[in-house]
Amino acid sequence: AAGVIQSPRHLIKEKRETATLKCYPIPRHDTVYWYQQGPGQDPQFLISFYEKMQSDKGSIPDRFSAQQFSDYHSELNMSSLELGDSALYFCASSLGGGNEKLFFGSGTQLSVL
Amino acid sequence: AQSVTQLDSQVPVFEEAPVELRCNYSSSVSVYLFWYVQYPNQGLQLLLKYLSGSTLVKGINGFEAEFNKSQTSFHLRKPSVHISDTAEYFCAVSDGGGYNKLIFGAGTRLAVHP
Repeated sequence: AAGVIQSPRHLIKEKRETATLKCYPIPRHDTVYWYQQGPGQDPQFLISFYEKMQSDKGSIPDRFSAQQFSDYHSELNMSSLELGDSALYFCASSLGGGNEKLFFGSGTQLSVL
Repeated sequence: AQSVTQLDSQVPVFEEAPVELRCNYSSSVSVYLFWYVQYPNQGLQLLLKYLSGSTLVKGINGFEAEFNKSQTSFHLRKPSVHISDTAEYFCAVSDGGGYNKLIFGAGTRLAVHP
């Protein structure tokens, strides 16, 4: 069965550069969530989208923005990267905005040098 | 505000021994509770969840958890662990109203030794 696809798997950037992470949800899933997991930390909720509209917002820095496109894939754009942005970024998807099961992708490991 | 406390950062245990990973939550509203497992360099995989109904929840890989409202706990148990259970385990809570926004605990590292 198709799972949540994230690309790239690994990304290396330098300070002050920009990065774009992509997330392709499970087919027919209409809700996408982004989480950030720092080294040895628990995942922190960043932002979510339902039917292409932002549905909730967590601890997402102003330097980051995200959107969900008409095909339901989502992109997380990160500008003016800082060393502290180095983390594993997870995307999850679900069907509907209720408490349906979340499916997580394998994550994008971002390293800022 | 919701929060999750995982009382043990690391739990070492021998293979075939029973294990309990502790989780306490705080919330002023009804909650939904989850346990996720994270293997090295992998994403989060749902072990089990409590939404309503029976307080004893059975999940994958032989794990189970019991929701205790009076003690605000949702401890994870397995009667006999395997080497392959070595991983990071996260307890999470959702109030059900925020489009599944999960608040995670700090995680418990389960290390199973032969």
